[in-house]
Amino acid sequence: EAAVTQSPRSKVAVTGGKVTLSCHQTNNHDYMYWYRQDTGHGLRLIHYSYVADSTEKGDIPDGYKASRPSQENFSLILELASLSQTAVYFCASSDRTGGREQYFGPGTRLTVL
Amino acid sequence: GDSVTQTEGQVTVSESKSLIINCTYSTTSIAYPNLFWYVRYPGEGLQLLLKVITAGQKGSSRGFEATYNKETTSFHLQKASVQESDSAVYYCALVRNNNNRIFFGDGTQLVVKP
Repeated sequence: EAAVTQSPRSKVAVTGGKVTLSCHQTNNHDYMYWYRQDTGHGLRLIHYSYVADSTEKGDIPDGYKASRPSQENFSLILELASLSQTAVYFCASSDRTGGREQYFGPGTRLTVL
Repeated sequence: GDSVTQTEGQVTVSESKSLIINCTYSTTSIAYPNLFWYVRYPGEGLQLLLKVITAGQKGSSRGFEATYNKETTSFHLQKASVQESDSAVYYCALVRNNNNRIFFGDGTQLVVKP
């Protein structure tokens, strides 16, 4: 069974609209992350969380909000979607021990028109 | 800050031929970081291919191997004989021992020709 799931897997949004991407993990991990990937580039960290009800800014947080209502769930919110936010978004989780690998979801392809 | 460099955006190899994908890293940490190779197959998320947490050691999985070379700060991925099913995007990454931040390279698309 997939330990990190994302929904939706694909979405088309209009400029200025609100978009919510959801992530659910069954790994019992404390840390969760949101990344975006643009074609030909590596993953860039948007937001992360190390405990429920708390989120932290990553390297590119502008234009994004995050919500961690429980250990298992982590959402990424685009209040006013823009063309530049067209990308593939990955959620991941890891345990609290530093230096460990992360476990990724299958990704959400977001297209903003 | 920390960074990972993969010099090739795409590598094309004929089936049964050998493969090398280059990766070098840079870190400001005094301690040696943990090094990883992740792979992303079409339509799927990233999954761990192999990892090495001790400098000088070699990791291997599914016929792939990579050696942690702290002198050259490299972690190249190699395979002696590739298959079509190895076609995917490969990402080199590092994580410091004392935190959970992961730094990825830009990825290398491997195309295996039949």
